[in-house]
Amino acid sequence: SYVLTQPPSVSVAPGKTARITCGGNNIGSKSVHWYQQKPGQAPVLVIYYDSDRPSGIPERFSGSNSGNTATLTISRVEAGDEADYYCQVWDSSSDPLYVFGTGTKVTVL
Amino acid sequence: EVQLVESGGGLVQPGGSLRLSCAASGFTVSSNYMSWVRQAPGKGLEWVSVIYSGGSTYYADSVKGRFTISRDNSKNTLYLQMNSLRAEDTAVYYCARDRRVAPPLGYYMDVWGKGTTVTVSS
Repeated sequence: SYVLTQPPSVSVAPGKTARITCGGNNIGSKSVHWYQQKPGQAPVLVIYYDSDRPSGIPERFSGSNSGNTATLTISRVEAGDEADYYCQVWDSSSDPLYVFGTGTKVTVL
Repeated sequence: EVQLVESGGGLVQPGGSLRLSCAASGFTVSSNYMSWVRQAPGKGLEWVSVIYSGGSTYYADSVKGRFTISRDNSKNTLYLQMNSLRAEDTAVYYCARDRRVAPPLGYYMDVWGKGTTVTVSS
């Protein structure tokens, strides 16, 4: 089955930039989606199709995807960005169809 | 307003059964792909099952043969029937609406419920 690997944790100072990677074999050929999950809450979609933002998501959130790595970038980090972040792909020829990354805890220092 | 509300979670003994419900409002369940995703305590997200708008169903290997996804179009509600429950099924279960712009682009989950907790323990 397809595996998506994320760093367990990323620490960043307020106002700086956080980059969260999602590694997978030839992930650049797939569409990658990102979710933010705060403690005790349901996940929220923050990036879809590698770099598109749903309405209501700040422009500070951006994404890219190439080769074997997709990246979620959070610019001008705020305390409210502290959360777990998960990448996700869907592949009709894969089993399972939907795969989530291992998750990254973003800590704002 | 587009919304999903799960219910039906609780404490069940190993080997027991439980049926989760997910009531939708603001959109039609049968016109969308709908998924169940779970999260064990302190762990990451795990996709469990999906039902396509055409009615096809798919499952993660970990639940195949034990869980059944279905929907009631008249009630605009999604279900997950869980049988032969194991301790490792203990988790918060979320239902989610799946979306995509157009094939061959992949699906993402744009609306999530708040989740319902299932605890399997004796």
